[in-house]
Amino acid sequence: SQKIEQNSEALNIQEGKTATLTCNYTNYSPAYLQWYRQDPGRGPVFLLLIRENEKEKRKERLKVTFDTTLKQSLFHITASQPADSATYLCALGANSGGYQKVTFGIGTKLQVIP
Amino acid sequence: DAGVIQSPRHEVTEMGQEVTLRCKPISGHDYLFWYRQTMMRGLELLIYFNNNVPIDDSGMPEDRFSAKMPNASFSTLKIQPSEPRDSAVYFCASSSPQVYEQYFGPGTRLTVT
Repeated sequence: SQKIEQNSEALNIQEGKTATLTCNYTNYSPAYLQWYRQDPGRGPVFLLLIRENEKEKRKERLKVTFDTTLKQSLFHITASQPADSATYLCALGANSGGYQKVTFGIGTKLQVIP
Repeated sequence: DAGVIQSPRHEVTEMGQEVTLRCKPISGHDYLFWYRQTMMRGLELLIYFNNNVPIDDSGMPEDRFSAKMPNASFSTLKIQPSEPRDSAVYFCASSSPQVYEQYFGPGTRLTVT
């Protein structure tokens, strides 16, 4: 069956360091992969999308890599700040019968320590 | 645009009661998704619509759950009868076919006692 794995435990890092979050998947051939941020008591907010034919995508302090051979995506936040503390969800998207369908991972909680 | 609007924000009900959750998607978005989020299972897709038509309801847990989208600006998710294990946060999200990012509402926190 399809499976998406993210670091199930919280990730604590020091302010200013680079945070790296992992998303692994099995039995899935996604057309694209997305990363979302979720703060407590709120809905997820879209951050980045990377397509299956792209290796890397950047947006300000964020960088996403996508390796379809390893079936893995890495999400990096450089020069991390306490305001980056949140839960980060990866989501795999596929075209199903001409429609888009997205499956989310359970998320990784990031805590940036001042 | 005000974003995706959900109501109510919190719902507390007793087991066996009917619960109706409401969603107004972003104007112009053709896709509408209903999700359920729990600590144990994360964010699960229940059902999604395209142009008001249900496309995939394979995530709906059982017949107690039903969803409708009578027009492009309104959708409901109904649970009848509700059970304690339905307690979760229910999110509605919408997106357009040209871009894949989903815009989520604030969620409805449902507690069934």
